[in-house]
Amino acid sequence: AQKITQTQPGMFVQEKEAVTLDCTYDTSDQSYGLFWYKQPSSGEMIFLIYQGSYDEQNATEGRYSLNFQKARKSANLVISASQLGDSAMYFCAMSFPGNTGKLIFGQGTTLQVKP
Amino acid sequence: DAGVTQSPTHLIKTRGQQVTLRCSPISGHKSVSWYQQVLGQGPQFIFQYYEKEERGRGNFPDRFSARQFPNYSSELNVNALLLGDSALYLCASSLWGLAGGDTQYFGPGTRLTVL
Repeated sequence: AQKITQTQPGMFVQEKEAVTLDCTYDTSDQSYGLFWYKQPSSGEMIFLIYQGSYDEQNATEGRYSLNFQKARKSANLVISASQLGDSAMYFCAMSFPGNTGKLIFGQGTTLQVKP
Repeated sequence: DAGVTQSPTHLIKTRGQQVTLRCSPISGHKSVSWYQQVLGQGPQFIFQYYEKEERGRGNFPDRFSARQFPNYSSELNVNALLLGDSALYLCASSLWGLAGGDTQYFGPGTRLTVL
């Protein structure tokens, strides 16, 4: 069965430091997509970054990078130079081949940035 | 360009009632997906629609139904509400509703409370 696991319920980071949020996944498919979303207390899910399973380079988007280790089935999100506005819930999600874009989400990690 | 919009923002209903939630996708996007997010958990996939056709359905009872209109907007209907239906209902739109890099962009959600 396809599953996403985020083992860190909560994380703290000092402002301006880097932080890594863990995500592991379980699938027997060779083709899949990995996403990270940010959910502030307002509730809206904000897309951060995408990594395809066949992409050889790790994805980067500004201060966000995805540390993709296919053999270990991990897709960790790295946030560099944390800002107070990064305090939110972060979700790792996965999509699978076929004609549906259904996303399977992990349980999320709450990140708090300290001034 | 406007993002995904949802209405209403908040809704309070009593058990047994029926509710309709509405979603307008990003201009140019042809696919809409619905997710339910119970407090403290990641979103769970309910439905996906593409070009007015249901493309995917999650593990939800028949009390849940949806449709997509010619302008690509969508409605989610829930009949015979139960206390357990209390959740944040998220709508997401994407270009084609396919797996891979066809990113889903989420709206602000509708928070449903069932008393």
